[in-house]
Amino acid sequence: DIQMTQSPSSVSASVGDRVTITCRASQGISSWLAWYQQKPGKAPKLLIYATSSLQIGVPSRFRGSGSGTDFTLTISSLQPEDFATYYCQQAHSFPFSFGPGTKVDI
Amino acid sequence: QLQLQESGPGLVKPSETLSLSCTVSGGSISSRSYYWGWIRQPPGTGLEWIGSVYYTGSTNYSPSLKSRVAISVDTSKSQFSLTLSSVTAADTAVYYCARHDQTLSGGVDVWGQGTTVTVSS
Repeated sequence: DIQMTQSPSSVSASVGDRVTITCRASQGISSWLAWYQQKPGKAPKLLIYATSSLQIGVPSRFRGSGSGTDFTLTISSLQPEDFATYYCQQAHSFPFSFGPGTKVDI
Repeated sequence: QLQLQESGPGLVKPSETLSLSCTVSGGSISSRSYYWGWIRQPPGTGLEWIGSVYYTGSTNYSPSLKSRVAISVDTSKSQFSLTLSSVTAADTAVYYCARHDQTLSGGVDVWGQGTTVTVSS
């Protein structure tokens, strides 16, 4: 089974900052990686799929990259609505799995 | 716009079986492009993938829950269901039903609103 890790577990940032979150898979997953944003009390929202494809309606300040085992989510200029928790998820093989999450706060 | 809606008891006693259903509306549950899944989130923690079912009935489960979980699909009712047996307090969580879209490389593009299940006597 594939284990997912994320770093950092939390990051403090300001509006306008560039934020980078790293996700690592325990074995190669090609490009089968998705990123989600979750705000308190809400279901997660798909931001990026297939490592770097932006889901419809997601602002272009979100960018995903990587391949194999190492992936990153970059928010180029943090906006007030971006303060949330971010999760990566592999869909390369069953059982699917999520990373533990990265909380982005002020 | 496809929507998912969870239903089921919000309180389950320890050692009993948790049963939830998810109704799919606004689209077909029988599409070849999707897996239908269950994901949970214990209070204050992250997301845990429980398992998924294809419209054919083929299932996949998390190894940590495999001995206690079953997911099934009823295409005639546009529903899929989760049962989790022998529950303990550790199974207290928000349970989400979800759609994995294979055209989005398995990403979950549609989520239910989530239903809180508490395990307590």
